[in-house]
Amino acid sequence: AQTVTQSQPEMSVQEAETVTLSCTYDTSENNYYLFWYKQPPSRQMILVIRQEAYKQQNATENRFSVNFQKAAKSFSLKISDSQLGDTAMYFCAFMNNAGNMLTFGGGTRLMVKP
Amino acid sequence: GAGVSQSPRYKVAKRGQDVALRCDPISGHVSLFWYQQALGQGPEFLTYFQNEAQLDKSGLPSDRFFAERPEGSVSTLKIQRTQQEDSAVYLCASSFGLLEYSPLHFGNGTRLTVT
Repeated sequence: AQTVTQSQPEMSVQEAETVTLSCTYDTSENNYYLFWYKQPPSRQMILVIRQEAYKQQNATENRFSVNFQKAAKSFSLKISDSQLGDTAMYFCAFMNNAGNMLTFGGGTRLMVKP
Repeated sequence: GAGVSQSPRYKVAKRGQDVALRCDPISGHVSLFWYQQALGQGPEFLTYFQNEAQLDKSGLPSDRFFAERPEGSVSTLKIQRTQQEDSAVYLCASSFGLLEYSPLHFGNGTRLTVT
């Protein structure tokens, strides 16, 4: 079974600064997918960024980028130029290659301060 | 509709009552997941369907929990004799994929409060 660990229950950052959220996971699979989801108070899970394990290049989506270290089983999210609208819960998640199992971490609550 | 629809959005039940939570996935989506999310926690897997087949129900916490998807589209999660520990947000997600990755689309969830 896969496990996903987020060691930072809460983080805060000043508007316009950069913050990094940590995630580690455990799996015996070689091919898989990793995600960061954002969940605002509306409860809607919003996909922030996705990384395929077979790709060495770190994924980037505008202000969001990841540092994927496959050997270390680490998958951190960097948010640059933080905005007030980034305030939310952030979940790291692992999906197996077959696409029939998605496992979430416990989440990090991010507060962006003006 | 354009997205995954869940109803009701909020449900309050007295302990011991039965509840039924509905999920309307995106049309044509093969895979459907149910998750339970306790307050301040990450979503925990409950069950997974491919079309009408329930392929994995290992996450259902007790035999009071039952899920079905009889025609391979709408799914219902039923909780019998609700207990206070069942209070949580129940999330549904669907995807087009079969045996391979495709993007998951989440509903807004049903917040269940058992009093």
